[in-house]
Amino acid sequence: EAQVTQNPRYLITVTGKKLTVTCSQNMNHEYMSWYRQDPGLGLRQIYYSMNVEVTDKGDVPEGYKVSRKEKRNFPLILESPSPNQTSLYFCASAAGSGSPPYFGPGTRLTVT
Amino acid sequence: GQNIDQPTEMTATEGAIVQINCTYQTSGFNGLFWYQQHAGEAPTFLSYNVLDGLEEKGRFSSFLSRSKGYSYLLLKELQMKDSASYLCAVRVLTTDSWGKLQFGAGTQVVVTP
Repeated sequence: EAQVTQNPRYLITVTGKKLTVTCSQNMNHEYMSWYRQDPGLGLRQIYYSMNVEVTDKGDVPEGYKVSRKEKRNFPLILESPSPNQTSLYFCASAAGSGSPPYFGPGTRLTVT
Repeated sequence: GQNIDQPTEMTATEGAIVQINCTYQTSGFNGLFWYQQHAGEAPTFLSYNVLDGLEEKGRFSSFLSRSKGYSYLLLKELQMKDSASYLCAVRVLTTDSWGKLQFGAGTQVVVTP
């Protein structure tokens, strides 16, 4: 089954404790992206990647890191999480130019 | 920067028609997506418009006017399961081949019996 998977689905952590949210897709998509979703603000792009070893900042990259060492994986790293990073995070992937991104199930992160 | 506006909430009766408008001001426009999102779930793709005109897919249709910076999503024969948030997203050209995707805040559609 074609899908985008994220782990964990739910995470409660404390300020400053490094964490990684994994994202994997099995559709051989070149494009992958991370978004956060907050009430009233909609989905905002954090980082995106056009291919292996190619990443670029979205609209809200501060406090996040990403890597794209393999085509299928695009982990999101929070080196020192803060409470303002409490949010619902979505990973998405897309095929060629103009193809719609398909979203993973989401990761609900709470930072206390 | 980009500015994407859509109404916050709309209410309609089962069986009726609802039109969700989306206006945008952007440079480098390269297409507009509509997504449906049920509470707590992932957005799911509904439609994509890159040229002016109407795209029809069953009960859902989407329209684009690039010169006016305007799109709408039309939901016909509303069903209770259509109660969800509808997201307008603009694809903006960048130096890479795919570009960036920017979303409006979403329109919550409430379908009543």
